[in-house]
Amino acid sequence: SQTIHQWPATLVQPVGSPLSLECTVEGTSNPNLYWYRQAAGRGLQLLFYSVGIGQISSEVPQNLSASRPQDRQFILSSKKLLLSDSGFYLCAWSPKNRGEEKLFFGSGTQLSVL
Amino acid sequence: SQQGEEDPQALSIQEGENATMNCSYKTSINNLQWYRQNSGRGLVHLILIRSNEREKHSGRLRVTLDTSKKSSSLLITASRAADTASYFCATETSGSRLTFGEGTQLTVNP
Repeated sequence: SQTIHQWPATLVQPVGSPLSLECTVEGTSNPNLYWYRQAAGRGLQLLFYSVGIGQISSEVPQNLSASRPQDRQFILSSKKLLLSDSGFYLCAWSPKNRGEEKLFFGSGTQLSVL
Repeated sequence: SQQGEEDPQALSIQEGENATMNCSYKTSINNLQWYRQNSGRGLVHLILIRSNEREKHSGRLRVTLDTSKKSSSLLITASRAADTASYFCATETSGSRLTFGEGTQLTVNP
């Protein structure tokens, strides 16, 4: 069966520090991969999605970047964090061999920038 | 901009009662999906209804879709305390990624 791993679960970082969040998927190949951000009590904002290695689409211009160095690895990065980068970050994947975009989510990373 | 908007924002009921949440959207869709999120956790897919379907069931869940009104409802029957969570609708349209609404916070009191 397929599983998605996302870490760390919580992270407290000072303003101006770098960020690296990692997500890996097991049990499937060539998935679509996604990074979402969720503000407290709000819906999900799509940040990046990827249909293959090295292929990244950015939905919202921001202080963040994403990379997909391997088929089942998706990394969210920042060179210098801002206070506004605080939030709950969710990684997700969807299979490519179906007509519908059904998402499977990781457990999330709560990022606090102080 | 948000495609799906849930209503109500918050709902509090007693165990055993039914819970109904609504979702409205703006443009034509390929399908509409409902997800559940426990506090501080990732979302879990509940059910998907295609644009040519009007009703779908999964256990205690019943989803309806009215494309003429651009709306959907999620009914949870015989609710349990463990159903307490946030529920999100998400719409899939041609040429666009899945778009989530703001969610309904459901509290089921024992």
